[in-house]
Amino acid sequence: DGGITQSPKYLFRKEGQNVTLSCEQNLNHDAMYWYRQDPGQGLRLIYYSQIVNDFQKGDIAEGYSVSREKKESFPLTVTSAQKNPTAFYLCASSVAGVNSDTQYFGPGTRLTVL
Amino acid sequence: SQQGEEDPQALSIQEGENATMNCSYKTSINNLQWYRQNSGRGLVHLILIRSNEREKHSGRLRVTLDTSKKSSSLLITASRAADTASYFCATEGNRDDKIIFGKGTRLHILP
Repeated sequence: DGGITQSPKYLFRKEGQNVTLSCEQNLNHDAMYWYRQDPGQGLRLIYYSQIVNDFQKGDIAEGYSVSREKKESFPLTVTSAQKNPTAFYLCASSVAGVNSDTQYFGPGTRLTVL
Repeated sequence: SQQGEEDPQALSIQEGENATMNCSYKTSINNLQWYRQNSGRGLVHLILIRSNEREKHSGRLRVTLDTSKKSSSLLITASRAADTASYFCATEGNRDDKIIFGKGTRLHILP
């Protein structure tokens, strides 16, 4: 069953803690993306990766970090430097690193900072 | 910014009626995509229209693009309860390689 998965679905974090969100895809896609969505808002790009071992900052990268050691995996770490981390985080992938391709989204992780 | 802006922000219609949502953007684009998001879920791609196209159909969906007005519309015909969702337009500019999502239209189909 092909697709893109994110875990966990809900995540709670205390202030000052780092937390890592998982994103895995078995679609053999080269490109992967992380977005943040706040209530009633559109998606804002955090980081993206067009190929293994390479990634670029999006529009709101401060306080976040990523790695792309494997084609299938693109984990996002929300660090304590992110001032307002409570949000819905969406991971996506696409066939190639050109944005005219369709993006396939995971189900999302809702992060709440207590 | 080339961000798409959807209009209206929210729309409620009776089941069976047609729903029309609009998207306006600011700079030249290569293509424009429409996505649907059910509450608390990921986005699902609906349709892509390129800058040299004026209209595309997919099932009950009809998308138009007017590059002179920098606007697109999404029409859902014969709406169903399952169409209740948020709908986003996403634009890819022809000067950079990023997709920019709008804030979405929340569509509610009334029984």
